[in-house]
Amino acid sequence: GAGVSQSPSNKVTEKGKDVELRCDPISGHTALYWYRQSLGQGLEFLIYFQGNSAPDKSGLPSDRFSAERTGGSVSTLTIQRTQQEDSAVYLCASSWRTSGGLANTGELFFGEGSRLTVL
Amino acid sequence: GNSVTQMEGPVTLSEEAFLTINCTYTATGYPSLFWYVQYPGEGLQLLLKATKADDKGSNKGFEATYRKETTSFHLEKGSVQVSDSAVYFCALSNNNDMRFGAGTRLTVKP
Repeated sequence: GAGVSQSPSNKVTEKGKDVELRCDPISGHTALYWYRQSLGQGLEFLIYFQGNSAPDKSGLPSDRFSAERTGGSVSTLTIQRTQQEDSAVYLCASSWRTSGGLANTGELFFGEGSRLTVL
Repeated sequence: GNSVTQMEGPVTLSEEAFLTINCTYTATGYPSLFWYVQYPGEGLQLLLKATKADDKGSNKGFEATYRKETTSFHLEKGSVQVSDSAVYFCALSNNNDMRFGAGTRLTVKP
């Protein structure tokens, strides 16, 4: 389809295991964001990729979290040694690059998320 | 830094009631402001936006005005419907840095 695709849609894992979450953005979108949505909480910014620039990792909650974006397209969010507090829905969104860094439309297109449950 | 604070929910209204969800922001420069909506079982989608001071965004009967003097972008609708039941997120975009509020769950009862 033409939208943002995330996989897996659901992941149940045991505490201490590593998990990888994948995001396939809309073709042509150069900006990619990861957010975390915990039960009863808002969207917590994790990381932002823009083209070939160094990513903004300021939202990653600990060094157990990392993300990469290969070839400026698909992104993988990796959580090592998962903890129960990592349980959440992980949302990916993509957007066009905007001229001069100013938000043109600023609209993000979201995937349906990956629900992670750590037992 | 950039941040958004929105009215905590949940909010429960009867059909045809007036809705206000408050949102205020902190940002440097000239951010763009947004409201996103997440209907049950669906992903987030853009509801409306405003890119400069005094702009009014509108869609599906919802409106919000970008007020720089009060750093606010309150969401309003004159007459809500059951189908408006969803979680509403206020958001700010500043140089591609996109930040969201905590979300407000709205339930509209017939």
